[in-house]
Amino acid sequence: GIQVEQSPPDLILQEGANSTLRCNFSDSVNNLQWFHQNPWGQLINLFYIPSGTKQNGRLSATTVATERYSLLYISSSQTTDSGVYFCAVGTFGNEKLTFGTGTRLTIIP
Amino acid sequence: GAVVSQHPSRVICKSGTSVKIECRSLDFQATTMFWYRQFPKQSLMLMATSNEGSKATYEQGVEKDKFLINHASLTLSTLTVTSAHPEDSSFYICSARDPTRGTNTEAFFGQGTRLTVV
Repeated sequence: GIQVEQSPPDLILQEGANSTLRCNFSDSVNNLQWFHQNPWGQLINLFYIPSGTKQNGRLSATTVATERYSLLYISSSQTTDSGVYFCAVGTFGNEKLTFGTGTRLTIIP
Repeated sequence: GAVVSQHPSRVICKSGTSVKIECRSLDFQATTMFWYRQFPKQSLMLMATSNEGSKATYEQGVEKDKFLINHASLTLSTLTVTSAHPEDSSFYICSARDPTRGTNTEAFFGQGTRLTVV
């Protein structure tokens, strides 16, 4: 099956800093989503982005499907941005999502 | 976005008992729902695909007799952990898509259920 690797696995930043999270996948995809898992475990949908670039406030994402990676950018980090970020991909003809390994982000005041 | 609701959010049960977790699509009908499991500090792993009106499809290594899935209506799928043991303690979370938005579109997740077996 498809392999999804995220980097870095852990990231500790000062409040106000910017960060870039990366998601690499091993096969062609027609679905890619970014999630933020809060401390209670809930998955918050950030972006549905199988290709192209999207922005939502301080967050933006870019997927380069031909090169099999996606990037999530967080600018002016806040302590509430702390948590685990997952990317998840879906392949053609298959509705299920395969999750990446996750990046644990900690924002220090 | 589409709303998926999961209940209960937290449950503690004794070894040997069974626990039922419900997953509902609140504002759309879902012929397919997905059940994932997450162990502490790990990623989410797909357990099974729940199909309305037919048998669930289980991922390799998932015991279908232990994790019973029923998708009796277009808005409800249930996961029953039978004869639970401490190693079944985990975070279980369901997801669904609104089919009216097209195929392979954005998936939405329930709040998750934290199961502790004592």
